[in-house]
Amino acid sequence: EAQVTQNPRYLITVTGKKLTVTCSQNMNHEYMSWYRQDPGLGLRQIYYSMNVEVTDKGDVPEGYKVSRKEKRNFPLILESPSPNQTSLYFCASSLQLTGTSGGTLFFGEGSRLTVL
Amino acid sequence: AQSVTQPDIHITVSEGASLELRCNYSYGATPYLFWYVQSPGQGLQLLLKYFSGDTLVQGIKGFEAEFKRSQSSFNLRKPSVHWSDAAEYFCAVGPMDSSYKLIFGSGTRLLVRP
Repeated sequence: EAQVTQNPRYLITVTGKKLTVTCSQNMNHEYMSWYRQDPGLGLRQIYYSMNVEVTDKGDVPEGYKVSRKEKRNFPLILESPSPNQTSLYFCASSLQLTGTSGGTLFFGEGSRLTVL
Repeated sequence: AQSVTQPDIHITVSEGASLELRCNYSYGATPYLFWYVQSPGQGLQLLLKYFSGDTLVQGIKGFEAEFKRSQSSFNLRKPSVHWSDAAEYFCAVGPMDSSYKLIFGSGTRLLVRP
């Protein structure tokens, strides 16, 4: 089954304790991205990756890191989490971003993170 | 600046009634336009998209949307709402520039009365 898998789905942590949210897709997609969803703000892009070893900042990259060592995986790293990073996080992937099949993002089920 | 506006935060309709969710965008050129749906506890699922051609686009689950360039709008419609349509709906625009991102609206939550 084609899917984007995120782990963990739920996490409560404390300020300053490093954490990683994993994301894996089995569709051989080149493009992957992380979004955070906050009430009244919709989804905002944190980082994206066009291919292996190619990553770039989105709209709200502060406090986050990513890596793309393999095509299927795109982990989101919070080196020193703070309470303002409490949010619902989504990983998404796409075969391509332009053309008639572009823009169709496949989303994971989300990871709800609480930072105390 | 590029932006997407969904003016209705909540909409409540009765089951069987028609539905229209509004979306307006601000973009430098003709964008790619999308509607996504998010059911409770789930990720987002693509309902439909517009790239070019016919301005009336058909999607899944009986939804359609119409692109109106003169109004910079891409409203989502359904002739008869089912209880299972209760969800949050997001309009999105892009990608057309080097940032390769979709710009999402803030969402409209649909409630369905029995």
